[in-house]
Amino acid sequence: RKEVEQDPGPFNVPEGATVAFNCTYSNSASQSFFWYRQDCRKEPKLLMSVYSSGNEDGRFTAQLNRASQYISLLIRDSKLSDSATYLCVVNIRAGNNRKLIWGLGTSLAVNP
Amino acid sequence: EAGVAQSPRYKIIEKRQSVAFWCNPISGHATLYWYQQILGQGPKLLIQFQNNGVVDDSQLPKDRFSAERLKGVDSTLKIQPAKLEDSAVYLCASSLDLSGLFENMFFGSGTQLSVL
Repeated sequence: RKEVEQDPGPFNVPEGATVAFNCTYSNSASQSFFWYRQDCRKEPKLLMSVYSSGNEDGRFTAQLNRASQYISLLIRDSKLSDSATYLCVVNIRAGNNRKLIWGLGTSLAVNP
Repeated sequence: EAGVAQSPRYKIIEKRQSVAFWCNPISGHATLYWYQQILGQGPKLLIQFQNNGVVDDSQLPKDRFSAERLKGVDSTLKIQPAKLEDSAVYLCASSLDLSGLFENMFFGSGTQLSVL
């Protein structure tokens, strides 16, 4: 089982739709979680950190379920500009260090 | 605030040639990362520096890849000799990382390497 797994998509949705991405992780000692957004031929940019209580930023909502070891990202009222790849990232403890494990990304295309 | 600077933006070389990439992190960021991102995949950490010390280089192919951050600021990543499978985008990132939780990590625009 991969350490971080995402549905690669692509997700094709119309403008205004609500879309949800899930990400599962295998290491129960994972400590922090992030969603990054990556546009085509661009660098990844932090979209949201994911907190235990869940957090919301405008149209974006992130939730964490430690018991089931998954995090989710919900996008409401999709815009054309939301088209991108969404990367799930998990911070795990590796010995005395911590390291980030990146998912392969989920591709979203929002259509007019 | 200036972001993470990388150069060159693109590089095309033939296999068995050498190549070097440069990165200047955000001022004050102690932690610097080099990632390799192959098309269609997530970034893969090659090496992580804390100031000028190496924290993690477990996935760096040390027979051909080397990296340094001599003064704890900018960094270079070198490939010698390059192979076809090294074709990828090489991303540099930096963070304050005061908490060890990878908050506030920013990426440069990357160097797209094509090995022919």
